[in-house]
Amino acid sequence: DAGVIQSPRHEVTEMGQEVTLRCKPISGHNSLFWYRQTMMRGLELLIYFNNNVPIDDSGMPEDRFSAKMPNASFSTLKIQPSEPRDSAVYFCASRLQGYTGELFFGEGSRLTVL
Amino acid sequence: QQQVKQSPQSLIVQKGGISIINCAYENTAFDYFPWYQQFPGKGPALLIAIRPDVSEKKEGRFTISFNKSAKQFSLHIMDSQPGDSATYFCAASRGETSGSRLTFGEGTQLTVNP
Repeated sequence: DAGVIQSPRHEVTEMGQEVTLRCKPISGHNSLFWYRQTMMRGLELLIYFNNNVPIDDSGMPEDRFSAKMPNASFSTLKIQPSEPRDSAVYFCASRLQGYTGELFFGEGSRLTVL
Repeated sequence: QQQVKQSPQSLIVQKGGISIINCAYENTAFDYFPWYQQFPGKGPALLIAIRPDVSEKKEGRFTISFNKSAKQFSLHIMDSQPGDSATYFCAASRGETSGSRLTFGEGTQLTVNP
């Protein structure tokens, strides 16, 4: 299997622009997670889905952030409008629901907002 | 109660030495304790994990020690190698009924000098 695939790997944008990050989970995995990693706050869970349904979005920082999972093989994380403090590495991870603990992470999308 | 505290923040060890990273948790409902390893530019990857019904688990040079009464667990890396240089995260989760969201520690940057 190709693993969790994220795009873009790097994104540089200006404050106020819309950013869309994409994720393709491992085939057959029915839980998907979006994490944000920064030096100051470490790995933070933003939102996760089970069977394409958002279960917990309490980690989404504010209304500028939104996530969707229209089908089992695709998810997006959107930031609109972006701000410099959103600069971070965003990871998508997937696993089999019911198999507690082991997450398979993508290689991340490094976002820089100028 | 959802926090996992990890120490030290950084660790430098000589080749062949023992690396020890510690974590503490508050929530007694946690029942799964994995360690993740992250290399620069990559996503975290599962290294080893333990459940609270055992006090120790060993896989090669990596050992988890678990102290349920103290609510602490640690990662020991024996015969540390330069290739072990990475960031290590402990984590905890509490079962499927609550969504199995992993709570990560702050991370430890390990450097093994040749």
